[in-house]
Amino acid sequence: ILNVEQSPQSLHVQEGDSTNFTCSFPSSNFYALHWYRWETAKSPEALFVMTLNGDEKKKGRISATLNTKEGYSYLYIKGSQPEDSATYLCAPNTGKLIFGQGTTLQVKP
Amino acid sequence: GAVVSQHPSWVICKSGTSVKIECRSLDFQATTMFWYRQFPKQSLMLMATSNEGSKATYEQGVEKDKFLINHASLTLSTLTVTSAHPEDSSFYICSARRGGTTDTQYFGPGTRLTVL
Repeated sequence: ILNVEQSPQSLHVQEGDSTNFTCSFPSSNFYALHWYRWETAKSPEALFVMTLNGDEKKKGRISATLNTKEGYSYLYIKGSQPEDSATYLCAPNTGKLIFGQGTTLQVKP
Repeated sequence: GAVVSQHPSWVICKSGTSVKIECRSLDFQATTMFWYRQFPKQSLMLMATSNEGSKATYEQGVEKDKFLINHASLTLSTLTVTSAHPEDSSFYICSARRGGTTDTQYFGPGTRLTVL
């Protein structure tokens, strides 16, 4: 079973700060890597599906990179806003999604 | 687009009773639906995968007789927890996918089950 680790577990930043967190995986034997944002009491929202080594995806102030050779993906948020407060989940897709425990981000106004 | 609903959002039941949870894709047809469970402070764990009109495929360690999955149409899957016990108390969440393996899974908001 692929062991997916996300770090840090939680993060508190001030509004306007830029931040990044990591998803690491010991093997790159998967079809794609998915990132989700999960706000409390809502459905997880799909952010990115990344398939290739070196892939970079961007959606507004959020971007992600994938490095399958070294076994990690980074998620960046530029100029964090309070509405970015959520848990961010990554999940390699081996034919099924294997989720990490997530990074919970709290952005203080 | 790509909205998935789940009902109920929370349920409390007595030990020994059965509980049915519905998962619907509201604006697309889902070839495949998935059921996950999340225990406190743990990650989402896949329980089973279901394709419309086929028997569900259960993950190792998930009792298929306890967690009955029916995927009768391209927009509806149900999970029935039979003879629920307190250890079944958990957060259950479904997802739906319209395309192939690497296509996005769209999630419902989840159901909190508490068994007394």
